[in-house]
Amino acid sequence: NAGVMQNPRHLVRRRGQEARLRCSPVKGHSHVYWYRQLPEEGLKFMVYLQKENIIDESGMPKERFSAEFPKEGPSILRIQQVVRGDSAAYFCASSTRDTEAFFGQGTRLTVV
Amino acid sequence: KNEVEQSPQNLTAQEGEFITINCSYSVGISALHWLQQHPGGGIVSLFMLSSGKKKHGRLIATINIQEKHSSLHITASHPRDSAVYICAVRSDFGNEKLTFGTGTRLTIIP
Repeated sequence: NAGVMQNPRHLVRRRGQEARLRCSPVKGHSHVYWYRQLPEEGLKFMVYLQKENIIDESGMPKERFSAEFPKEGPSILRIQQVVRGDSAAYFCASSTRDTEAFFGQGTRLTVV
Repeated sequence: KNEVEQSPQNLTAQEGEFITINCSYSVGISALHWLQQHPGGGIVSLFMLSSGKKKHGRLIATINIQEKHSSLHITASHPRDSAVYICAVRSDFGNEKLTFGTGTRLTIIP
C-alpha cells in the first residue's frame, strides 16, 4: 500500500463549487484507477488512465466529472458544480500491467 | 445479480475463532483480489490470486477457477482483524479495472 498518495484526505465543498482530488501513484506505475465509495455502498469503478491517455471512463458520470493523468505530475479527478450526491470517498489505485493494485488512503469529499 | 457476490455480509466471532469469508463471481477473470478496509480508513491489498492458494501470516486465500469461487481464511482471529474485507475481480478482457463485492464486515470480540 505504500506509495500511492492522495490529497487532500478530507475535502469540504459547498454546492456548486469545484472539487479537485489528486493522486500520485507509486513511482514507476503507469496505470491509475479512480474508484468511488458512496456511503454504505461498495466501491465502484470510475476511470482508468495511463500516462496522458484515458483508457476506460465507462464508470464516470457523463457530466461534471473529468480525469487526467498528465505526463508530469499527479492524476487529477475534477468534479465541477458539486452536488450533495457527490459526497463519497474517492480512492485512487495504481499498478503496472499484471501486478496487484496499490490503493491510496482516499479523499473523503463532503458537499454541504 | 452482481458479478461479484460475497458472504456473509456481516460476521461476528470470538477472538481465536477460525474465520472464512466467501466470494463467488460470474465472469471470466484474470485475477482476484482480497482487500481490507478499516472504518474511515484506506484500502489495503491483502492478496492477488489467479490460481491455487496463498498464505501470509494468519491469512490464507484460495481460489477455484473452475467453480468461480474464492475464500479468505483468518486463523486465530484477533480484535485487530475487525474490518471490512472486500473481494474484487479483474476481468480477462485486457482491462485492468476491478469489480468489487459489497464487502464482509467482520467483528472480532475479545
